[in-house]
Amino acid sequence: QQQVKQSPQSLIVQKGGISIINCAYENTAFDYFPWYQQFPGKGPALLIAIRPDVSEKKEGRFTISFNKSAKQFSLHIMDSQPGDSATYFCAARYVGGGYQKVTFGTGTKLQVIP
Amino acid sequence: KAGVTQTPRYLIKTRGQQVTLSCSPISGHRSVSWYQQTPGQGLQFLFEYFSETQRNKGNFPGRFSGRQFSNSRSEMNVSTLELGDSALYLCASSARDSMTSTEAFFGQGTRLTVV
Repeated sequence: QQQVKQSPQSLIVQKGGISIINCAYENTAFDYFPWYQQFPGKGPALLIAIRPDVSEKKEGRFTISFNKSAKQFSLHIMDSQPGDSATYFCAARYVGGGYQKVTFGTGTKLQVIP
Repeated sequence: KAGVTQTPRYLIKTRGQQVTLSCSPISGHRSVSWYQQTPGQGLQFLFEYFSETQRNKGNFPGRFSGRQFSNSRSEMNVSTLELGDSALYLCASSARDSMTSTEAFFGQGTRLTVV
């Protein structure tokens, strides 16, 4: 129930195209859904995040779509650029019992080709 | 403001040895979480410390332990190293009260290789 399933494992998109990464979860107690971007040799960095009471959040070229009833959320990268090539992780946070725990998806390696 | 600092960046150890990794969180952050990242398993939660107390622990054997000091710096220890412990170990810090804070800042990690 603590799992977050992420797909696809890898993605190749042409420059200017739309990259879409999907995640699904089971635990309805998750209260916060961040996306992280990780470049080789670096730690993950927060990209954008959403709470379950919002269906969509947009920051620049990055948009999270959230479907609470389906327990799914996705990251859309519009006008994808070669500099967006990185590994993306979705995550979900659970708070309860005096602690918080963040569960990550398995990651999607995005390659944007010129 | 300085980011999360992890030391060392790279480490090579022999099977059976023990290792200690260090994490200095962002100033003012009291929550430090540790993660193991491997190509096969992705990012897996190890444990979280808040105000020197371990609040949560993932599904790792007792060989993995940690602690947090009064200045919020945290250390992670792995004893009796196994080849499968080779991974990137990441720590993340969150602001004063991690129950309400939503953003975790990651360090660059320590790349541990066990030979």
